[in-house]
Amino acid sequence: GAGVSQTPSNKVTEKGKYVELRCDPISGHTALYWYRQSLGQGPEFLIYFQGTGAADDSGLPNDRFFAVRPEGSVSTLKIQRTERGDSAVYLCASSLDTFGYEQYFGPGTRLTVT
Amino acid sequence: AQSVTQPDIHITVSEGASLELRCNYSYGATPYLFWYVQSPGQGLQLLLKYFSGDTLVQGIKGFEAEFKRSQSSFNLRKPSVHWSDAAEYFCAVASDSGAGSYQLTFGKGTKLSVIP
Repeated sequence: GAGVSQTPSNKVTEKGKYVELRCDPISGHTALYWYRQSLGQGPEFLIYFQGTGAADDSGLPNDRFFAVRPEGSVSTLKIQRTERGDSAVYLCASSLDTFGYEQYFGPGTRLTVT
Repeated sequence: AQSVTQPDIHITVSEGASLELRCNYSYGATPYLFWYVQSPGQGLQLLLKYFSGDTLVQGIKGFEAEFKRSQSSFNLRKPSVHWSDAAEYFCAVASDSGAGSYQLTFGKGTKLSVIP
């Protein structure tokens, strides 16, 4: 079956611009996670959705970052006033539920801020 | 706060040789531990996980890992490495901040190179 998909695969933007990154989770998965992977690092947690609500946004670095999941399926990560330090690979993962269930990762969106 | 340490940034082994990748964790409660593999241009793929029970867990692609509570370790092993195993390997621990998320905290990864 179809896995987690993310679009675009690559995004280049100028400092100060607004970007949106999209995640299509596996159908039927209620839990959705966003992670950020900087060069040479492991992924770092950003935000977790259970259904439509952001149940845990403790990993968002500041208020320029925001994410939505309005219908409990597709999620969009939004970054305002991008900075060069935002350059990273943004990973989305979904799972059937939380505890005890595998998180399936998408291929990521590579964001480059020039 | 939880943390994961992978002491080896880069390991090179010959094809057919055995492999052990080290992982140490810091977590106050019972840890839920994972190993993921990331190939270039690919998403993270789960190799194996430990939740409870038998401390030696078997995974896909011939990998296994052993949980040792006394050493706070969860090392990944494979008896005979294949060239296709060349990738980056991440150890992770799942934790719950209270919202039921069980988000993953990853180590920095170990890059595995395989010499034919």
